[in-house]
Amino acid sequence: AQSVTQPDIHITVSEGASLELRCNYSYGATPYLFWYVQSPGQGLQLLLKYFSGDTLVQGIKGFEAEFKRSQSSFNLRKPSVHWSDAAEYFCAVAWNSGNTPLVFGKGTRLSVIA
Amino acid sequence: ETGVTQTPRHLVMGMTNKKSLKCEQHLGHNAMYWYKQSAKKPLELMFVYSLEERVENNSVPSRFSPECPNSSHLFLHLHTLQPEDSALYLCASSQSSGRAWEQYFGPGTRLTVT
Repeated sequence: AQSVTQPDIHITVSEGASLELRCNYSYGATPYLFWYVQSPGQGLQLLLKYFSGDTLVQGIKGFEAEFKRSQSSFNLRKPSVHWSDAAEYFCAVAWNSGNTPLVFGKGTRLSVIA
Repeated sequence: ETGVTQTPRHLVMGMTNKKSLKCEQHLGHNAMYWYKQSAKKPLELMFVYSLEERVENNSVPSRFSPECPNSSHLFLHLHTLQPEDSALYLCASSQSSGRAWEQYFGPGTRLTVT
C-alpha cells in the first residue's frame, strides 16, 4: 500500500537554529507532494507543494522543501526557526492525477526553545 | 467569513445522543471532505463529495452519516457513537478536478464521546 513516513515524532530546536523535517513516501507513480502545518486547536494550513519542475520549492513563512526522487523524499527545511513555528507538521502525498485522495504521514511535532 | 468554517468547535455527547457537525466553505470549491484525526494516528479520510455526489466512503461505520446539500455545505450526522470515536473531525475543500488534492482545511470540531 502507498504510504508516507515521517520518521521523527517530536523534534526540539532552539530559536534561530536551522530545521529539517523528514518525509519519505513509498514508491509509485509521479507523486504530488505537500507539507501542511497545524497549530494547536487549528486546522491544517498548506505550507508548500510540489507538482513538477524545480525540485526545490518555496513556501510560506520562510519554509522550503526539496524533492529527491532517488530517495523518495520531500524534506522540509527552514534556515532560522522562530518560536511561532512550534506546531505539528504533516507531509502528504497524492499519486497520479485526478481525485486521488491525499495520504498523510503521522506528523512531526516541533517544539522551539529559547 | 473566509476559508472553511466548522461548527461547533467543541462537542461532548453521550453514546445515545444524535448530533451533527457542520462545515461551510467560502472558496468556491466543488469538492468537500471529512477527516478524522486521532492521537498518534495519521489523518483518516472518511468521506469525499464532488459536485455534491459522494465519491468515496472509506469503510466508515454507519453511525457516521454525511450529507452535502450543496457545494458550500457539508454535514456529518452522528448517532450512537462509541468512546473510540472521540477525535478531532476536520473538514476540507478543494476544486473537484485538476488540483483536487490541494485541500484547504477548517479548524475542526473536537468531539468527546462519554
